[in-house]
Amino acid sequence: DARVTQTPRHKVTEMGQEVTMRCQPILGHNTVFWYRQTMMQGLELLAYFRNRAPLDDSGMPKDRFSAEMPDATLATLKIQPSEPRDSAVYFCASGLSSGGGTGELFFGEGSRLTVL
Amino acid sequence: GNSVTQMEGPVTLSEEAFLTINCTYTATGYPSLFWYVQYPGEGLQLLLKATKADDKGSNKGFEATYRKETTSFHLEKGSVQVSDSAVYFCALNTNTGNQFYFGTGTSLTVIP
Repeated sequence: DARVTQTPRHKVTEMGQEVTMRCQPILGHNTVFWYRQTMMQGLELLAYFRNRAPLDDSGMPKDRFSAEMPDATLATLKIQPSEPRDSAVYFCASGLSSGGGTGELFFGEGSRLTVL
Repeated sequence: GNSVTQMEGPVTLSEEAFLTINCTYTATGYPSLFWYVQYPGEGLQLLLKATKADDKGSNKGFEATYRKETTSFHLEKGSVQVSDSAVYFCALNTNTGNQFYFGTGTSLTVIP
């Protein structure tokens, strides 16, 4: 079964530490999305890549967050330095964009981050 | 702009009750519409989708019809089960901007 794989599933860290979350999209998919989910804000789009190029990262706090796709099989989301307000579940999703649309998105199981 | 509005929860129903979760959208062009479901501790999973007006998506007893005239995609199920307890998200894909827009989610709890 093809699926999006995220690591780590859980991360507890202290304020000020660097956090890196990784995502392996489904093989052959050319779009990758990073979302953050909290009780207060719901599901927020952080970044969006197509063919490894960042197309939209307007939802991401630029001073501490960065997102990259070093290659087609890996997407990373880094927070440096982390703050307690970054505590959330971070989801990666991938899809196939052909022509004008992306069709459906496939979500990973999420990385639950707790910053103390 | 593009956006999705869905009814606020939480929704609590008794087993075998009828379910409706309202979803309306604003979009340029001709979007595809989706319902995703999120079970506790898991990621979002596609429940059903419709890609053009008057299409009906269906899966696991859930249905939703793409209504362009009312810009709606309401989710329905005739008889809910305890196992349907989850958060349901309505979403659209603009099909032109390669962008997804999600509603805020509606939490459903089904009690025996």
